[in-house]
Amino acid sequence: AQSVTQLDSQVPVFEEAPVELRCNYSSSVSVYLFWYVQYPNQGLQLLLKYLSGSTLVKGINGFEAEFNKSQTSFHLRKPSVHISDTAEYFCAVSDRGSQGNLIFGKGTKLSVKP
Amino acid sequence: DAGVIQSPRHEVTEMGQEVTLRCKPISGHNSLFWYRQTMMRGLELLIYFNNNVPIDDSGMPEDRFSAKMPNASFSTLKIQPSEPRDSAVYFCASSSGKGGLQPQHFGDGTRLSIL
Repeated sequence: AQSVTQLDSQVPVFEEAPVELRCNYSSSVSVYLFWYVQYPNQGLQLLLKYLSGSTLVKGINGFEAEFNKSQTSFHLRKPSVHISDTAEYFCAVSDRGSQGNLIFGKGTKLSVKP
Repeated sequence: DAGVIQSPRHEVTEMGQEVTLRCKPISGHNSLFWYRQTMMRGLELLIYFNNNVPIDDSGMPEDRFSAKMPNASFSTLKIQPSEPRDSAVYFCASSSGKGGLQPQHFGDGTRLSIL
């Protein structure tokens, strides 16, 4: 069985500061990894995904994530955040042999302050 | 392009009533997923369909919950009878479902309140 752990439930940062949102997963099989963002009163939107190849993945809105197989991690980073990045971020894993069902972490609320 | 469309956006009803949530997936997508989101439990997968066939309903909490997908463009999630603990935001998502390779696209959700 797979699981996803997001180590921080809330991350407050100041505008223009760098941020890292942590995600660790456990799985006995090869996986695909995703980060989704949820703005208030909206559904989840895909930020980026790791399927194979380069371990550094770039997504929308200046976010990037690095897949580390030995540490089973997929941390999300942004060098300089904006007020508009305030949202909840979800890490998710999908078994490569599955029908595409995702296992989500509990989410990290990013709060960007001026 | 139209995204995943859910209706209603908000539903307030009394305990014991039947509730029906609706979802129209993105055209051409062959996998559909129903999720429930609460503060306590986060985002939980309830059931998912592939080519209109239910593949895994192990996340459905009780027999009070049922889901159908009569055709490729429509799905319903029904709760009968409803209880206050069913209050949550329910999301529908769809994907082209090639073994997890394609991401899921989410609707804006239905915020359900059971009084």
